[in-house]
Amino acid sequence: GIQVEQSPPDLILQEGANSTLRCNFSDSVNNLQWFHQNPWGQLINLFYIPSGTKQNGRLSATTVATERYSLLYISSSQTTDSGVYFCAVESPFSGGYNKLIFGAGTRLAVHP
Amino acid sequence: GAVVSQHPSRVICKSGTSVKIECRSLDFQATTMFWYRQFPKQSLMLMATSNEGSKATYEQGVEKDKFLINHASLTLSTLTVTSAHPEDSSFYICSARVKGAGTEQFFGPGTRLTVL
Repeated sequence: GIQVEQSPPDLILQEGANSTLRCNFSDSVNNLQWFHQNPWGQLINLFYIPSGTKQNGRLSATTVATERYSLLYISSSQTTDSGVYFCAVESPFSGGYNKLIFGAGTRLAVHP
Repeated sequence: GAVVSQHPSRVICKSGTSVKIECRSLDFQATTMFWYRQFPKQSLMLMATSNEGSKATYEQGVEKDKFLINHASLTLSTLTVTSAHPEDSSFYICSARVKGAGTEQFFGPGTRLTVL
């Protein structure tokens, strides 16, 4: 089936720093979502971005579908950004039809 | 965005009992709902996909007789963990989407199950 790899696995930042999280996937996708899982376990939808670029406040994301990767940018990080960031994809191929396959996540800690 | 709720948020039960978890889409009708399981410090693993009015599709390795899924309406899906054992202790999360394959999914807040 489709493979989803996220990097880095862990990231420690000082408040105010910028960061880039990466998601590589092994086949064509028709859905790509970025999530933030907060300390209580809730998955927050950040972006639905199977292709192109989107921005929402201090966060932005870019998916280059032809090269099979997506990037999540966090600018001016805050302590409330801490948590786990997941990339998840859906592919009409590779046994991924009609279901999201999650990467292992990037665990982010922002210190004051 | 669309809102998905789950109930209960936390449940503790004795080994051998059955536990039912409800997943509701509050402000939209969900054509498809999904059930995931997440163990500590791990990613989400899809357990099954359910469509309203039809049988759920289970992922490989997931016992359909142990994890019963009912999708009775376009706003409600239930997961029943039958004869729960300590190894079933986990964080169970549901998701839903309005339209078909390839469209955005929205997630519930999760249910933490502890089996003693």
